This record gives sequence, C-alpha cells and structure tokens, in this order.
Amino acid sequence: RLQESGPGLVKPLESLSLTCTVSGGSLSSGSYFWVWIRQPPGEAPEWIGSISYGGTTFYNSSLRSRVSLSLDTSRSQFYLMLTSMTAADTATYFCTRLVYSVANYMDVWGRGTKVIVSS
Amino acid sequence: LLAQSPGRLSLSPGERATLSCRATHSPYIAWYQQKAGQAPRLLIYDASTRATGIPDRFSGSASGTDFTLTISRVDPDDSAVYYCQQLGFFGGGTTVEIK
Repeated sequence: RLQESGPGLVKPLESLSLTCTVSGGSLSSGSYFWVWIRQPPGEAPEWIGSISYGGTTFYNSSLRSRVSLSLDTSRSQFYLMLTSMTAADTATYFCTRLVYSVANYMDVWGRGTKVIVSS
Repeated sequence: LLAQSPGRLSLSPGERATLSCRATHSPYIAWYQQKAGQAPRLLIYDASTRATGIPDRFSGSASGTDFTLTISRVDPDDSAVYYCQQLGFFGGGTTVEIK
C-alpha cells in the first residue's frame, strides 16, 4: 500500500528526492501522519520527519536544516527532500503511515528503498 | 531515550522470550519486528494492544516507564530484531535468535 521510489545512488553534496505512493487508501485523513524513516546498515531506524494531510510537518531536529516534506493529495503521494547528502546519509529509506493518537504508532510500511551516497 | 535490553537473546523453540525497553516519556510504546531485508512490522501498540494479525504468543506490558515484550513460545520464524518506539524515537533493538 506504500511504495517508495527514487534514485538508488546520490553523489555527495547533491540532494535526495524520494516519492512515496499510497495505494488502497487516501492521504486525506486527519487520523494519520505520513512519515519518512531511514535505517543505516546494521543500525536502528531513525525518524526523519512527518507530514499531515493539512501540511503540518515535524522534523528530526538533527536533520531539520536539510529536510523538507511535502505531499500531493491528487496524486496520493508524499515526498522527501534531503539536501547536502553525505556518506552518513547512506541508508534504506522507508515511508510509513502513522496513526495519530496519544500513542502514535506506524501501522503500514513501504518495503524501503536503498540509497547509497557515493561519487 | 529508549534503552532496550538485552542486546541479543538466543533461545530454543518453545522457550519464552522477554524483551525490555526503558523509556523516559509517555506511557505509550509500540513494538516492531524486523526480519532481515524487510521493513519493520508493527506487533504491539499502546504498550499492550496486538496489531491486526499478530498471534497471541506476542504480548506487551508496562510498569511505569519500563515496557516488556513477551513471546510466550518462540518459533524459528520469530528470529528477527525487535525495536521499541515512542514518539519520534526508536530503541537500539534486541536481536532474537532461535537455535
């Protein structure tokens, strides 16, 4: 139901743009936030940021200066842009659906897309 | 922020697995299972509610800011890394190996 797409290889200092396509559901629900997570090889997942249907965004403070999330409800897609990529950004990037409640948990995940930063 | 223990657990089929996660914030936590090469899968939310399709061998509990995921009778298919999550943070994970 969620599918990430984008380049698998990015050069250092370039920007990464990823798309998450939502199928079998709608972005237009106030019950959810749409989230990007990344996971470097052998490490725990890391929260990148989240966006609501209304465009409210929350970003990981460590990435805030380089990250931007957006969405297009007509295309059922949401997007990640991460600028000034370095080797430390090499990871598998997942898009997920977050159930927005007191608990906040992610019930649907894309399969992930592997991104390597290398010249 | 989220401290998971132990780092690794090696068990035989049918044994009980007890995974811990110590948090510092809200009383709510989620648990995920991640098998090699796959995305994490939601197991438990609200500390103790099983997600859709999760067998009742998996259970979650809480005592203050200490959370526990229990697998009552482990199966070889349970070999995975288990993460706890709260707000925008994940624990470091517990690797469960079923011999």
